[in-house]
Amino acid sequence: EIVLTQSPGTLSLSPGERATLSCRASQSVSSSYLAWYQQKPGQAPRLLIYAASSRATGIPDRFSGSGSGTDFTLTISRLEAEDFAVYYCQEYVSSARTFGQGTKLQIK
Amino acid sequence: EVQLLDSGGGLVQPGGSLRLSCAASGFTFSSYPMTWVRQAPGKGLEWVSAITSGGTATSYADSVKGRFTISRDNSKNTLYLQMNSLRAEDTAIYYCAKATGGDPRVYDYWGQGTLVTVSS
Repeated sequence: EIVLTQSPGTLSLSPGERATLSCRASQSVSSSYLAWYQQKPGQAPRLLIYAASSRATGIPDRFSGSGSGTDFTLTISRLEAEDFAVYYCQEYVSSARTFGQGTKLQIK
Repeated sequence: EVQLLDSGGGLVQPGGSLRLSCAASGFTFSSYPMTWVRQAPGKGLEWVSAITSGGTATSYADSVKGRFTISRDNSKNTLYLQMNSLRAEDTAIYYCAKATGGDPRVYDYWGQGTLVTVSS
């Protein structure tokens, strides 16, 4: 089973700043089968990025994904008020389709 | 507009059963794989089960294999999750989600979730 470890657990930033979220896999995620989801309190998750770096439909271009192998990054170039939420990475190369434990992005 | 309406959650005793439903609209339901993902209170996301567009193939997380059954009725645009032998650790919000057109393992629309509580 692939274990995804997200860091940091909590990230405190101000609107307008750049956010860098990390997702590290215990083994290589082949073909970059990795997605990022955003979840706000009381809401369902929302797809942001798939295939490590492809933005989902309707996602602003301030969100970008990168990485390959075991190290992946979600970058939010300039934080807006609505971006403060919990972010999860997920691998979909294995049968377990594991999620990371999440990074909470909060307002500083 | 794509809509997924989860229902069927509630309070059930350990060892009991429950069937969740997900009513879909706004897209051609029979053309897309579907999935269930759950979230224990205050915890992260856990993939539970998936089914192909035609319903001919299914997959399950090890934690629910042999106890849960995913199915769909394409004539009713509805996805189901039959949950048997429920345990306290199955307590969670259960979300249904629709796969994208490009990859059956990436989910672009989600229901609002339905809460399942397993407790005596």
